[in-house]
Amino acid sequence: GAVVSQHPSRVICKSGTSVKIECRSLDFQATTMFWYRQFPKQSLMLMATSNEGSKATYEQGVEKDKFLINHASLTLSTLTVTSAHPEDSSFYICSAGQGSYEKLFFGSGTQLSVL
Amino acid sequence: KNEVEQSPQNLTAQEGEFITINCSYSVGISALHWLQQHPGGGIVSLFMLSSGKKKHGRLIATINIQEKHSSLHITASHPRDSAVYICAVHNDMRFGAGTRLTVKP
Repeated sequence: GAVVSQHPSRVICKSGTSVKIECRSLDFQATTMFWYRQFPKQSLMLMATSNEGSKATYEQGVEKDKFLINHASLTLSTLTVTSAHPEDSSFYICSAGQGSYEKLFFGSGTQLSVL
Repeated sequence: KNEVEQSPQNLTAQEGEFITINCSYSVGISALHWLQQHPGGGIVSLFMLSSGKKKHGRLIATINIQEKHSSLHITASHPRDSAVYICAVHNDMRFGAGTRLTVKP
């Protein structure tokens, strides 16, 4: 079945550095990918919708200059957390849909810890 | 009030019991997803529904568009079903808070 690969699975960085998270659809073309954030014991929160070849659509309250999204190909979307701060520490997850989103495939998530 | 409400928040069952998790939403949607998140964080999409009922193995999902309500049922529950089940409504992907299910042997 379709698989979405997300890397890295865990990253620890110093405050002020930037972190890039990759999300790849391995055996299908994903014109749209979604990026989510999840704080401990909370549900998922949609951060942005990433469209191949165009600018991402950010949810209200999500800083587009802080969370840079690039969807340069039909199989790869990246999320860069710029100048990370401890409050950015969270679990970040991507997903991609196939066709009319009959099924959504999720990456395995990235646990970001900013010291 | 959240746009997507799930109940119960926590559910503990004995192996073999029939489980029902409910989801109500207040916005117009094109589809509703049921997701399963395991302790390690991995998420699996179980169903996408826009009407009626779907069944996959021991899992059954129903949706009533008029009442803006969906249910996820698990028959003959098993400890491996222990996970957080999340309802997500699709136009803009809004999520319920999740239901933490624990099935005891």
